[in-house]
Amino acid sequence: QQQVKQSPQSLIVQKGGIPIINCAYENTAFDYFPWYQQFPGKGPALLIAIRPDVSEKKEGRFTISFNKSAKQFSLHIMDSQPGDSATYFCAASMYSSNTGKLIFGQGTTLQVKP
Amino acid sequence: EADIYQTPRYLVIGTGKKITLECSQTMGHDKMYWYQQDPGMELHLIHYSYGVNSTEKGDLSSESTVSRIRTEHFPLTLESARPSHTSQYLCASSLASSGANVLTFGAGSRLTVL
Repeated sequence: QQQVKQSPQSLIVQKGGIPIINCAYENTAFDYFPWYQQFPGKGPALLIAIRPDVSEKKEGRFTISFNKSAKQFSLHIMDSQPGDSATYFCAASMYSSNTGKLIFGQGTTLQVKP
Repeated sequence: EADIYQTPRYLVIGTGKKITLECSQTMGHDKMYWYQQDPGMELHLIHYSYGVNSTEKGDLSSESTVSRIRTEHFPLTLESARPSHTSQYLCASSLASSGANVLTFGAGSRLTVL
């Protein structure tokens, strides 16, 4: 049972475009939603994260939008650059549990063309 | 400058061989994880540990086994490798406390079984 569904599977944008990656979760106990970025030959690394007490969080060119009632959250990359080309994973877990495991989405491969 | 190290990075072996993938971290993290990453890039949790002498199976069934004799070391072993075990294996660690479960990943071990 896939608890976090991510779309699209792949995405191609031109430099300067705003790619949007969407995730939906099922478990209402989830209250911590990070995004990880993975470059080829590397392990994933934390990019940005949000908790449900806010509807949006911005760090540099990366923004998470969160819709608690719809159980959805999305990543927006403003003014995308070729260096942003990578695979992006959304994830979810329970913040208050020290045994909470991260449940990852299926991943989105982003290509930003020069 | 990685704080979590995986060896070997690449391994090509024949069917039936026993292999051990090494994972070590220098951050003193209590929690450690093994993820299997398939060609579609999706991450599947196959083993995790919350401390020394603690190991649990993850969400994806795996024929591999793990051990946690020292905090910093979390090796994964396949007693008899098969072509179906061909995949990328990612090790990760995090602090055992409630709150944001931030995973630090290693660069991965890419296993090919002929």
